[in-house]
Amino acid sequence: QKEVEQDPGPLSVPEGAIVSLNCTYSNSAFQYFMWYRQYSRKGPELLMYTYSSGNKEDGRFTAQVDKSSKYISLFIRDSQPSDSATYLCAMISGDKIIFGKGTRLHILP
Amino acid sequence: NAGVTQTPKFQVLKTGQSMTLQCAQDMNHNSMYWYRQDPGMGLRLIYYSASEGTTDKGEVPNGYNVSRLNKREFSLRLESAAPSQTSVYFCASSARALSSYEQYFGPGTRLTVT
Repeated sequence: QKEVEQDPGPLSVPEGAIVSLNCTYSNSAFQYFMWYRQYSRKGPELLMYTYSSGNKEDGRFTAQVDKSSKYISLFIRDSQPSDSATYLCAMISGDKIIFGKGTRLHILP
Repeated sequence: NAGVTQTPKFQVLKTGQSMTLQCAQDMNHNSMYWYRQDPGMGLRLIYYSASEGTTDKGEVPNGYNVSRLNKREFSLRLESAAPSQTSVYFCASSARALSSYEQYFGPGTRLTVT
């Protein structure tokens, strides 16, 4: 089993919809959970991080961590065409950072 | 504030040639990383440096060497390039405290080995 699993998509949703992106993981030692956004031909950009479990909200974005299920989610409310990008989850244990393969998201105008 | 800079942006090499990818950050971060990104493979860690003077192998270190020249600079060297090293290379730096974390990526180097 891979340490971090993420559905590659693509995921297409209409503008204004709520988007749900998810990752599962197998290593219970992961402590930091992050979401990155990557536009085409650009470097990844850290969107949100969560230390341990719980929820975190930043504007239209909400990150959730469920350590009991080893499952993390990123919700995007009122999705915009500018949200179209690849979203990568990542997790840290010690000095080790593991990335998911990313989900391609298309917001349809 | 430049963040993380990488040079060059593009490079074409012939098999067997060598080159060094340069990376610098101006955020006083202790940790720096080199990743490669290939279609369908996501980001894979090549080497990282948790602090000045230390380097460690990541997931795919074969064929690469690194140097943490000082706190700002972390270079990646390909001694004898192979077509399998055709990829987009990203440098990143990070800082972490108990409940805070920040990481920034450079713009990437697109390398083609023929």
